[in-house]
Amino acid sequence: EIVMTQSPATLSVSPGERATLSCRASQSVSSNLAWYQQKPGQAPRLLIYGASTRATGIPGRFSGSGSGTEFTLTISSLQSEDFAVYYCQQYSNWPPMYSFGQGTKLEIK
Amino acid sequence: QVQLQESGPGLVKPSETLSLTCTVSGGSISSYYWTWIRQPPGKGLEWIGYTYYSGRTNYNPSLKSRVTISGDTSKNQFSLKLTSVSAADTAVYYCARSVLRYFDWLIDYWGQGTLVTVSS
Repeated sequence: EIVMTQSPATLSVSPGERATLSCRASQSVSSNLAWYQQKPGQAPRLLIYGASTRATGIPGRFSGSGSGTEFTLTISSLQSEDFAVYYCQQYSNWPPMYSFGQGTKLEIK
Repeated sequence: QVQLQESGPGLVKPSETLSLTCTVSGGSISSYYWTWIRQPPGKGLEWIGYTYYSGRTNYNPSLKSRVTISGDTSKNQFSLKLTSVSAADTAVYYCARSVLRYFDWLIDYWGQGTLVTVSS
């Protein structure tokens, strides 16, 4: 089983500043990595897949990078609506199977 | 626009079977992979498994012995059964759609989630 570890657990950033969230896989997942945003009481929303491809409708301030075991989600200039919990998720090619990180809470500083 | 809606009992007794249904609108379940994911209160996400309309399934190894996911194309629904539940199965259960885009598996549409509490 591939274990995904996110850091930090909580990140405090001021609006307008840059946020950098990290995700590490216990073994290489190539670029099979997605990022989701979840707000209280809502379902997760897909932000990034293939480690760096933005999903439909996702603003350009969200970017993903990395491959293998180390990945990063960067939000370039935080807006008020960006404060949420972010999850990374790896997926295997075939058969598809998924595992999530434990999440990073992005809070207002 | 694809929409998913979970339904089922919000309270299940320990040792009994949790049963949920997801109704899909705005698209047919006769394609794509239809997925269940859960989230214990205040905790992270856990993938449970999926079904394909052909009957192909795959489950999280940690739950495999207790899980069955199946689809009903005539009703455009798919369902989750989880047997022998305990308090550890208390969670918000989400149904969702998984799709292969080139080489990437996306979970792109989600239901709103339904809270299932296991308690006597």
